[in-house]
Amino acid sequence: DQQVKQNSPSLSVQEGRISILNCDYTNSMFDYFLWYKKYPAEGPTFLISISSIKDKNEDGRFTVFLNKSAKHLSLHIVPSQPGDSAVYFCAAPNAGGTSYGKLTFGQGTILTVHP
Amino acid sequence: EAGVTQFPSHSVIEKGQTVTLRCDPISGHDNLYWYRRVMGKEIKFLLHFVKESKQDESGMPNNRFLAERTGGTYSTLKVQPAELEDSGVYFCASSPRPGLTDTQYFGPGTRLTVL
Repeated sequence: DQQVKQNSPSLSVQEGRISILNCDYTNSMFDYFLWYKKYPAEGPTFLISISSIKDKNEDGRFTVFLNKSAKHLSLHIVPSQPGDSAVYFCAAPNAGGTSYGKLTFGQGTILTVHP
Repeated sequence: EAGVTQFPSHSVIEKGQTVTLRCDPISGHDNLYWYRRVMGKEIKFLLHFVKESKQDESGMPNNRFLAERTGGTYSTLKVQPAELEDSGVYFCASSPRPGLTDTQYFGPGTRLTVL
């Protein structure tokens, strides 16, 4: 049972345009969400996060939106740059019990930004 | 500050052999996590150490996998005997605390191929 889902395996965008990456979750106990970015042959690196008490968090070109009622979040990158080309993972940590802090990841979305 | 390091970066072994992966977390990080990504799918949790103690090993696939963290510093993950389905990229991550908002810092991963 996959609790975090990224249904788009890939996304291709022109440089300067907006990239929108989507993520859905099923576990209503999740109340904090993160996006990680991964380049080939490297580990995931933290990009941006959002708490369930907010519906938006912005950091430079990156904005994450959270719709709790729909159990959906999205990552917007504006403007997109070729260096943003990477795999993006949505993740949520467990909020309690012995699995506290354990991250549940989505499958990832490969973003390609064309010059 | 040095990041999370993992050794080896690649390992190719035959079915039935033994392989040991090593992770050196960021100095001072009590929390160490192992994750695995198989065939481009989601990154899945394997286990979580707090210092030298196993906090949560619910993600370990079976008893062919053994993780240790002697002295609360580096950790090893041994697979014995290896099977074909163990192939994948094994990531290690560390964080100072297991809190929801504490970023987990990932190593570059070890790519394991079992032939």
